[in-house]
Amino acid sequence: GQQLNQSPQSMFIQEGEDVSMNCTSSSIFNTWLWYKQDPGEGPVLLIALYKAGELTSNGRLTAQFGITRKDSFLNISASIPSDVGIYFCAGQLTGAGSYQLTFGKGTKLSVIP
Amino acid sequence: DVKVTQSSRYLVKRTGEKVFLECVQDMDHENMFWYRQDPGLGLRLIYFSYDVKMKEKGDIPEGYSVSREKKERFSLILESASTNQTSMYLCASSSRDRGLYEQYFGPGTRLTVT
Repeated sequence: GQQLNQSPQSMFIQEGEDVSMNCTSSSIFNTWLWYKQDPGEGPVLLIALYKAGELTSNGRLTAQFGITRKDSFLNISASIPSDVGIYFCAGQLTGAGSYQLTFGKGTKLSVIP
Repeated sequence: DVKVTQSSRYLVKRTGEKVFLECVQDMDHENMFWYRQDPGLGLRLIYFSYDVKMKEKGDIPEGYSVSREKKERFSLILESASTNQTSMYLCASSSRDRGLYEQYFGPGTRLTVT
């Protein structure tokens, strides 16, 4: 199936630092979604993006739908310990007839107090 | 808020047993999905359903079946559990309205097959 390349795979940051992660693909996507998953829990939707160039914020989180429609970025400002978890991107492919999403493999974030 | 619940958080079954995983959503969503999540492999789609009594195979349907008799409920069935089906199983739902693709997940069921 289609691949979403999510990077970095993992990152260790100091509390208070800003974080940036991204997803890229060789295919064009209609929709980009960002999820966070805490250990032992299901993913929780953070931000949904539906238009190329769209920039959307949710508290300290900001995500962008790339102009080429082949990538998306998530930034977290002023990280805190509860930001720890795995962040997934997901996209809905252009031309796909169903409601399926393609998922990245996640970025594992660790925050050092 | 959307709520997706799964019948068990943890389950231990023996090889060869028939296993039922239940998922219920309370937002009147048309679409429901079953995924499994394994380290290094990410989320993989097993089956999905876009209407009552309708089902579509995902990327890894072998060894699984599903049932959707009511709109709010989507069941995943392991006909004869095997050790390679030990995994985290996640249910999700989404609305068909306005072409929205936002999927909302349940808390997951960690299944161990011994």
